[in-house]
Amino acid sequence: GDSVTQMEGPVTLSEEAFLTINCTYTATGYPSLFWYVQYPGEGLQLLLKATKADDKGSNKGFEATYRKETTSFHLEKGSVQVSDSAVYFCALSHTGGFKTIFGAGTRLFVKA
Amino acid sequence: DTAVSQTPKYLVTQMGNDKSIKCEQNLGHDTMYWYKQDSKKFLKIMFSYNNKELIINETVPNRFSPKSPDKAHLNLHINSLELGDSAVYFCASSQDTQRGNEQFFGPGTRLTVL
Repeated sequence: GDSVTQMEGPVTLSEEAFLTINCTYTATGYPSLFWYVQYPGEGLQLLLKATKADDKGSNKGFEATYRKETTSFHLEKGSVQVSDSAVYFCALSHTGGFKTIFGAGTRLFVKA
Repeated sequence: DTAVSQTPKYLVTQMGNDKSIKCEQNLGHDTMYWYKQDSKKFLKIMFSYNNKELIINETVPNRFSPKSPDKAHLNLHINSLELGDSAVYFCASSQDTQRGNEQFFGPGTRLTVL
């Protein structure tokens, strides 16, 4: 079956550091790929998405590129802020599948 | 306007009790979900409804019974609560499109079973 694997946390960075959170997937066909973010005490919200190979999703300074050859969708940000401290989830879904597969989540702490 | 709302936000109860969590979405979506998130933030899908029909039931104990009176509502009733049911429960909705199945989450209900 489909699965999503993302790097274990927590990841602790200083403000303005470069962020990479790795995500790889196993899936049949051509799923859509997502990054969701969960701030403390809140529900998940979509951060960015990509629906086909080589697409780049971006939002709030975060980026991720859909790499079919390496089955990856790594999340990056050039300069993190304290307000980026949250849990980040990589996910995939298929059109018509009614199910989203989530990774285990990666907690990010950013220190001032 | 809140897109996906849940009540209550916190629920503290004794083992053996029965409780319900309500969820409503005003996005006009056809599909709604219940997820359980444990203390390590692992997110597990429990149920999925499409146009009021149950389409996913992920080996959840029979003590959990979802009910969808209409497309905008998906409630979760839990009988005979156990300690292991303590978690945060999230409702979500989505509209399946050719551009992917983005999920919209509610704020969560933190259930504590004593």
